[in-house]
Amino acid sequence: GAGVSQTPSNKVTEKGKYVELRCDPISGHTALYWYRQSLGQGPEFLIYFQGTGAADDSGLPNDRFFAVRPEGSVSTLKIQRTERGDSAVYLCASSGQASEQFFGPGTRLTVL
Amino acid sequence: AQRVTQPEKLLSVFKGAPVELKCNYSYSGSPELFWYVQYSRQRLQLLLRHISRESIKGFTADLNKGETSFHLKKPFAQEEDSAMYYCALGRGNNDMRFGAGTRLTVKP
Repeated sequence: GAGVSQTPSNKVTEKGKYVELRCDPISGHTALYWYRQSLGQGPEFLIYFQGTGAADDSGLPNDRFFAVRPEGSVSTLKIQRTERGDSAVYLCASSGQASEQFFGPGTRLTVL
Repeated sequence: AQRVTQPEKLLSVFKGAPVELKCNYSYSGSPELFWYVQYSRQRLQLLLRHISRESIKGFTADLNKGETSFHLKKPFAQEEDSAMYYCALGRGNNDMRFGAGTRLTVKP
């Protein structure tokens, strides 16, 4: 089957705008994760869903960031009033029973 | 607090030479350690995990709780091993903490 997919692959926006990043996990995977990867750094945890609920959102940097997973499958990461410092690659991963996380290709966000 | 340290940002070896990518961690609980790899223009993927005690593509990693280390080793590096390598610390099915990564270059 298909792996984790993320759309768009690239997003360029202006400072202050609102953006939504989408993640389609592997079918049947109950756990879904969002990470942010800045240049030269490893992925940084943002939020983890188990089913529809956010089990751990301690990595969200501030209240401009929000994520939802209303039906326990697709997830959307929402960023309000974007800032230049939000520019990064946003990674999504999903996992099933085992702890291995399967990663998507990422969305490269550029805030001008 | 969980923390993963990869002290080398860049590592370069010649083909056929042994390679060791260092990883140290701090965690008060029982750690679950992973190595992830990202080849050029590909997505991040799992290479190996300590609980499996397996060798993947000739790589092995042993968890040393006394030294809080999980170094990745391969006796004879190949050019196709050139990639970014990330050590990660997980808590079951919860979030993963990644190191900053080491870029391995294997020269011909």
